[in-house]
Amino acid sequence: SYVLTQPPSVSVAPGKTASITCGGNNIGNKNVHWYQQNPGQAPVLVVYDDRDRPSGIPERFSGSNSGNTATLTISRVEAGDEADYYCQVWNSTSHQGVFGGRTKLTVL
Amino acid sequence: EVKVLESGGGLVQPGGSLRLSCAASGFTFDNYAMAWVRQAPGKGLEWVSGISGGGGQTYYADSVKGRFTISRDNSKNTMYLLMNSLRGEDTALYYCATYDTWSGYIDYWGQGTLVTVSS
Repeated sequence: SYVLTQPPSVSVAPGKTASITCGGNNIGNKNVHWYQQNPGQAPVLVVYDDRDRPSGIPERFSGSNSGNTATLTISRVEAGDEADYYCQVWNSTSHQGVFGGRTKLTVL
Repeated sequence: EVKVLESGGGLVQPGGSLRLSCAASGFTFDNYAMAWVRQAPGKGLEWVSGISGGGGQTYYADSVKGRFTISRDNSKNTMYLLMNSLRGEDTALYYCATYDTWSGYIDYWGQGTLVTVSS
């Protein structure tokens, strides 16, 4: 089965840029999606299809994907961005989503 | 406004059964594929099962295949998950969600219903 690898934690100072990676074999050939989950709440889609943002998601959230690594970039980080983040791809053969293992973003 | 609301969770003994429901509103239900995604306490997200808009195609994670059955009643704007032969590792918050059948991203999530499998 396809495995997505995320760092368990990322720390960043307010106003700086955070980068959260998602590694997978030739992940550049897949569409990658990113979710933000605050404690006790349902996940929220923040980036889909590598780099598109749903309506209502700030432009500070952006994505890229190439080779074996996809990246979620959060610019001008705010305290409210502190949350768990998950990457996800689609297995079109089995029609299942595959999630990464979660990255906890800490705003210092 | 799109809303999906789960219900039916609870405490069940190992080997027991439970049926979850997901009531949807604010969108044309039969135009959307739906899914169940679960999250064990303190753990990450796991895709459990999906169903096409018309209900004719269903998909399952290997961990639940043969034990869980997903279905939908488009006349009632409701999706179901029948869970049989429950195990301790099925303990989780179960989310109902809509998803894109081409790229697989989940665009709308419910708040979840908690299933606890314990004796």
